[in-house]
Order: sequence, then structure tokens, then C-alpha cells
Amino acid sequence: DIQMTQSPSSVSVSVGDRVTITCQASQGISRWLAWYQQKPGRAPKLLVYAASSLQSGVPSRFSGSGSGTDFTLTINSLQPEDFATYYCQQANSYPYTFGQGTKLEIK
Amino acid sequence: EVQLVESGGGLVQSGGSLRLSCAASGFSSNDHYMDWVRQAPGKGLEWVGRIRNKANSYSTEYATSVKGRFTISRDDSKNSLYLQMNSLKTEDTALYYCVSAGLDLKKDGAFEHWGQGTLVTVSS
Repeated sequence: DIQMTQSPSSVSVSVGDRVTITCQASQGISRWLAWYQQKPGRAPKLLVYAASSLQSGVPSRFSGSGSGTDFTLTINSLQPEDFATYYCQQANSYPYTFGQGTKLEIK
Repeated sequence: EVQLVESGGGLVQSGGSLRLSCAASGFSSNDHYMDWVRQAPGKGLEWVGRIRNKANSYSTEYATSVKGRFTISRDDSKNSLYLQMNSLKTEDTALYYCVSAGLDLKKDGAFEHWGQGTLVTVSS
């Protein structure tokens, strides 16, 4: 199985900050990577697919990049509604696997 | 509006069985690959398995942790997805989400729409 490792596991940030979350795959996954946002008590929401394609309706302050084994999710000018947990997920091969999550907390 | 509504969760003893259902509406679910994703209390997300569409022979894929114990099926005439869970273990305790994948090639590995989940608790 492909292991997905996210960093950091948690980070304290302020409204207006720029934050970058990284995701590393244990083997190359081309660009088959998705990012999700999950708020407490809610189902996850798809943000980015195919490493850098923004899901319809997702604000442009979110962006994804990377290929192979190293990927990033960047959020520019953090808004109050962005404080949540973020997960990466590889879709290169079965079984699909998720990262352990990165929790954005208010500083 | 796209809706995925899960049902069938509950409390079951270790070694027991449970069948989850998911009713889809608001989109042509028959065309989509459908998945189950679970989340243990306070933990991260874990993909459980997938069933492809009719054009791809309803073929299935499973996570290593559930292979041989769980079976995914679908009834396109009812816009419904199912998860038959046998030989349940305490580590199967989780909120189970019904998920639809994107339609195009770039998105069919991504989970576009999610239900609210149904809780399965396996007691020892």
C-alpha cells in the first residue's frame, strides 16, 4: 500500500496568513492526488483533484501543486472558515490511501 | 441538489454482520463509481472500497483491512449503494460515508460528493 505522510500534523495560524501543507507519497503517484477539508461534525469536502485542479465552487485562495512523491496545498489569506483539518489522498493505485491529516488552529 | 443518505448503522457484536445502504439522488449516480470511506472516532479517513459502474462491469476494489469480509454492491434501478459487512471486528467501529467519485478521468479517483455518514459500533 502507498503511504501518505502529511506535515505538519497541526499548525497555529492567524487570519490573513498564508499556509502551506505538504503531503509525501511513499512511491510515485504521478499527479493522482486530491485534497479535502473537514470541519468538526461534517463530512469532508473535495478541494483539489489531480494535484492542482480546483474543484468547482472552491475559493481561488486554495491551490495545489506537485507531482511524483511531493505535493503541497497552499491557502492564501486565511479566512475564519478555513480553520479545519485537511487530508491528502492518493488515487494512483488501489488501495486508495489518505494522509493522517493536518489541523489548522487559530493562533 | 446532490444527496447521499446512508442508513443501517448501529451496534453489533464482534463477529457479527451489518448491511449499510446509501440512497443517491440529485445526480446520475448510475454513471459514477461509488465508494465507502470510514472514519474511526477522533481519527483520520480510511478508504474502504469501490464499485465501478455498469460500463465497467460493476467491478470492485477493497482496502486490505476489509478484503474478504466486506462486499460492496449497487442497485442502479434504486439509485442505491450497499456495504455488506461480515466478521466485524472492534476496529471496524467508525462513521461510514457513502461517496461518489468524479466522472471524468482526471477526477474519477477523487471523492466529489459525500453523505453525512452512518455510525457502526462493534462491541467486544
